[in-house]
Amino acid sequence: DAGVIQSPRHEVTEMGQEVTLRCKPISGHNSLFWYRQTMMRGLELLIYFNNNVPIDDSGMPEDRFSAKMPNASFSTLKIQPSEPRDSAVYFCASRDSSYNEQFFGPGTRLTVL
Amino acid sequence: QKEVEQNSGPLSVPEGAIASLNCTYSDRGSQSFFWYRQYSGKSPELIMSIYSNGDKEDGRFTAQLNKASQYVSLLIRDSQPSDSATYLCAAHNTDKLIFGTGTRLQVFP
Repeated sequence: DAGVIQSPRHEVTEMGQEVTLRCKPISGHNSLFWYRQTMMRGLELLIYFNNNVPIDDSGMPEDRFSAKMPNASFSTLKIQPSEPRDSAVYFCASRDSSYNEQFFGPGTRLTVL
Repeated sequence: QKEVEQNSGPLSVPEGAIASLNCTYSDRGSQSFFWYRQYSGKSPELIMSIYSNGDKEDGRFTAQLNKASQYVSLLIRDSQPSDSATYLCAAHNTDKLIFGTGTRLQVFP
């Protein structure tokens, strides 16, 4: 079975540019989570969806960040405009909501210059 | 603030020894707990979950949970250099996982 798929795997952009990260959850999973990981702050939950509906976005750092899940097999995390402090690894994870275990994608390493 | 605390390490153990990784959590409402292994530059990989007090064994891994003490541990028997990684403890609470900052384990030959 395919795991969680994320693209791109690496993104280098300049400050002020728009960045869009993409995620395809494991087929049949109905919960999706976006995390950010940095050395300083560790793994932080940004937002999560149940059945394509955003449930908790309290971890989204500011209005420059937005996330959507238009259908059960696709989600995006957008940063506009990007800033150097957004540089981090962004992970997507999915879960069958009948269970608590989450499974992570390979991540997107974002560098904002 | 719901927190999960781990010693950042590094924890250094010789090959073949038992590595003991510990984690405490602050919210008694947490009912299930998870250990993830993260190799450098890779994503977290789920290796153990535990829901009930006591021990749960899976191969060389044993997870231990003590809800009264709010304490979770992971034992790795016969440690191998390939076990060298950061181990993240997570507590499930209100539909989310709260992660610790991880313990870096180094297994030397």
